Amino acid sequence: AQSVTQLDSQVPVFEEAPVELRCNYSSSVSVYLFWYVQYPNQGLQLLLKYLSGSTLVKGINGFEAEFNKSQTSFHLRKPSVHISDTAEYFCAVSVPRNDYKLSFGAGTTVTVRA
Amino acid sequence: DAGITQSPRHKVTETGTPVTLRCHQTENHRYMYWYRQDPGHGLRLIHYSYGVKDTDKGEVSDGYSVSRSKTEDFLLTLESATSSQTSVYFCAISEDLGDNQPQHFGDGTRLSIL
Repeated sequence: AQSVTQLDSQVPVFEEAPVELRCNYSSSVSVYLFWYVQYPNQGLQLLLKYLSGSTLVKGINGFEAEFNKSQTSFHLRKPSVHISDTAEYFCAVSVPRNDYKLSFGAGTTVTVRA
Repeated sequence: DAGITQSPRHKVTETGTPVTLRCHQTENHRYMYWYRQDPGHGLRLIHYSYGVKDTDKGEVSDGYSVSRSKTEDFLLTLESATSSQTSVYFCAISEDLGDNQPQHFGDGTRLSIL
């Protein structure tokens, strides 16, 4: 079985500052990794995904994430945040040939202040 | 946005009553999923479907049942609701095009059981 740990439950950050959200995973097989964002009272929206190849993945809204196999991590970064980035962020993992099922971390709430 | 409609969007009911939540998709995707979202737990899979009349349990399936009589509809039923089932419920869908397919989410149903 696989599991996901998001190391920070809440991250306050000032507008235009950089942010990093940490995600570690555990799995006995190769995995696919995803970051989703949830704005208040909405469903989850895919930010980016790592499937294979380049370990640096770029997503929507200026976000990027780096896959580190040796550290089993998939941290999400943005160099300069906006007020509109205030949301909850979820890291998720799936394994091949498992009906595309996702295992989610507990989430990280990012609050951007002016 | 993926064509996923959840109904109702909000519901308040009493302990012991039956409750059915509906997920309707217009994408003709093979896979459909029901999750519940609770603070500190992220999203947890309740049940999922890999085709009409084909369903399987997720990690938190106790107290829930599902049915899928046609491709576009996936129903989640709480036979006798309990207060511990107060949560936000999300439906998701996925195409069957290979292991790299992400899930797409509906806007959620907020269920309160008093």
